[in-house]
Order: sequence, then C-alpha cells, then structure tokens
Amino acid sequence: VQMTQSPSYLAASPGESVSISCKASKSISNNLAWYQEKPGKANKLLIHSGSTLQSGTPSRFSGSGSGTDFTLTIRSLESEDFAVYYCQQYNEYPPTFGGGTKLELK
Amino acid sequence: EVQLVESGGGLVQPGRSLKLSCAASGFTFSNYYMAWVRQAPKKGLEWVATISTSGSRTYYPDSVKGRFTISRDNAKSSLYLQMNSLKSEDTATYYCARHPLYRGYFDYWGQGVMVTVSS
Repeated sequence: VQMTQSPSYLAASPGESVSISCKASKSISNNLAWYQEKPGKANKLLIHSGSTLQSGTPSRFSGSGSGTDFTLTIRSLESEDFAVYYCQQYNEYPPTFGGGTKLELK
Repeated sequence: EVQLVESGGGLVQPGRSLKLSCAASGFTFSNYYMAWVRQAPKKGLEWVATISTSGSRTYYPDSVKGRFTISRDNAKSSLYLQMNSLKSEDTATYYCARHPLYRGYFDYWGQGVMVTVSS
C-alpha cells in the first residue's frame, strides 16, 4: 500500500492551526498511525487507529479519516510541534510510511 | 520507562555482514512483537523486519528478504538484526521499535544506529 503525504513542507506560526493529509493507494480501514520525528529524539507515536490519541499526546493533536483519506490536525501550534510528521498504514504487510511532512516555523 | 538502545552500527564494505543489537528495558520484553525500521539519508521510513514474541515467526519486505535475519533473546531482553550481503542502498539509520500488543504500528522507538555501506 503506497502512502502519499501532503504537503511535504509546511510553514506556520505558533498559535496557528495546520492540517497534514495522508492518502492510501487502497482502503486501509482505520489502520493508520501518525508519528512525530525530532532531531536527537526517538520517534514518538501520536495517534493510532486513525483518530485515537496515544497516551501522552496533547489534545491539540487530532486525527481523522478512514478508508483512503486521513488528516492530522494540530490546533494552536506550540514551539515544540515544529518537527517532521509521518503517517503509516498497518492494515496489511508490509507496513508502509508516507514520505513525511516537515512543519517549519514561519 | 520504556527504553530501546541500539548498538553495532558502523562502516562496512559492500557484500560484508553486520549485526545490530537492541537492548530493551522498562517493560516485559517477551510479551511484545519487536521490529526494525530504517531511514536512509534524506529519505523516509522503511520497515525492515518484525519478530513474534517467541521468535518463531518473522516477517520481512522483499528488499531485505534472504539477506537480513531478525532474532531475539528474551532472557536478555535483546533484539538483533543480522545483515548479510550488504548493499550501498542499505545505508541508513536503523531503529529498534516495539509493536504494541499484536498491532501493526510502533509505540516506542530507539534513537537509532547508523549503518554506512561503502568501499
């Protein structure tokens, strides 16, 4: 299953809201996870099952979608949110990742 | 606190072998499927291998099948990745990751270890 994320780059300011899209090449039900990557830190699982927040994920993060179209939304951006975000499908083997979205400070 | 610490990376010539290790702590290692995921320089994430709790079942993508072997030692809370016949395209940071109970995503990751395949 190919996963296509957009945009690849996104510039925003603290306090703004942003959305990242992830599209699967075939239906994956709600078997989608979102991760955050920051330099020098282990990747962090934010959301699984399309919209379920992992323990410890701030409530300003939300996930939506099912089938082939998914969205990660971050409301009221904080400085620590500037990072790279990946989606991943786990509906079937091999698990596959999107190409990533780099969220930069405007 | 869950911790995954990789080791064993380095520079290796094409065609040679290398074995990565991952030391796990902070959870009952034997209860979880484990995996390796890699990221080539300036590229996205690629799943490399998964192993069942007992080690009896292993899964690989076509890109490494037959060359890489994932294994585990539950008594030592350790995960391994034996990489043979290495190619330049295997150059990447390799991450050890935990699957939450019988699910296909990864709830904890290590910080990674770099493998460079070059002559």
